[in-house]
Amino acid sequence: NAGVTQTPKFRVLKTGQSMTLLCAQDMNHEYMYWYRQDPGMGLRLIHYSVGEGTTAKGEVPDGYNVSRLKKQNFLLGLESAAPSQTSVYFCASHGTSGRVSYEQYFGPGTRLTVT
Amino acid sequence: RKEVEQDPGPFNVPEGATVAFNCTYSNSASQSFFWYRQDCRKEPKLLMSVYSSGNEDGRFTAQLNRASQYISLLIRDSKLSDSATYLCVVDTGRRALTFGSGTRLQVQP
Repeated sequence: NAGVTQTPKFRVLKTGQSMTLLCAQDMNHEYMYWYRQDPGMGLRLIHYSVGEGTTAKGEVPDGYNVSRLKKQNFLLGLESAAPSQTSVYFCASHGTSGRVSYEQYFGPGTRLTVT
Repeated sequence: RKEVEQDPGPFNVPEGATVAFNCTYSNSASQSFFWYRQDCRKEPKLLMSVYSSGNEDGRFTAQLNRASQYISLLIRDSKLSDSATYLCVVDTGRRALTFGSGTRLQVQP
């Protein structure tokens, strides 16, 4: 049971390049989330999904797109990277039958630098 | 105004000390409250939920004051291993959570 995994762990992009971050969970969770964390800002929600085939915008969705084609995977895309998107990206998931309502399980993070 | 506000610290305390963190939230409709712990360059992990009547888990005690929209975390008998950033977390009512910026704790020998 790997929990939540993220690929890649590190990436350096040039301005204007595109990339996709992959999040995978093996806990059969319905809900999945993408956050970014910047110094002094805490975690901010980018997009989330309440089930396969559904997505919704979070607090800071601009410049990102997401897809949830399979229940276990949640992809975050950057179509044209900007230096302002330099951040640590965390994926999280939670189910509806855990011991704690809303307990989110996080992946190890992806450290992205855009130059 | 931020939805969840915390004192960023750092709080530098000696081993064995008692330390308290506070947090305020702005959404009066929030129903679920948590403290998460985040170690340096690691992912956040749930420390404990916060219940209306207050709750304790070993050396950790959490309190909620709905009228003042205020949450607290008390750590007794601090250990070196308690050094981390503590995140106050509140639900948005839309199956999502809002995270505070965190309070950094450094326990010194």
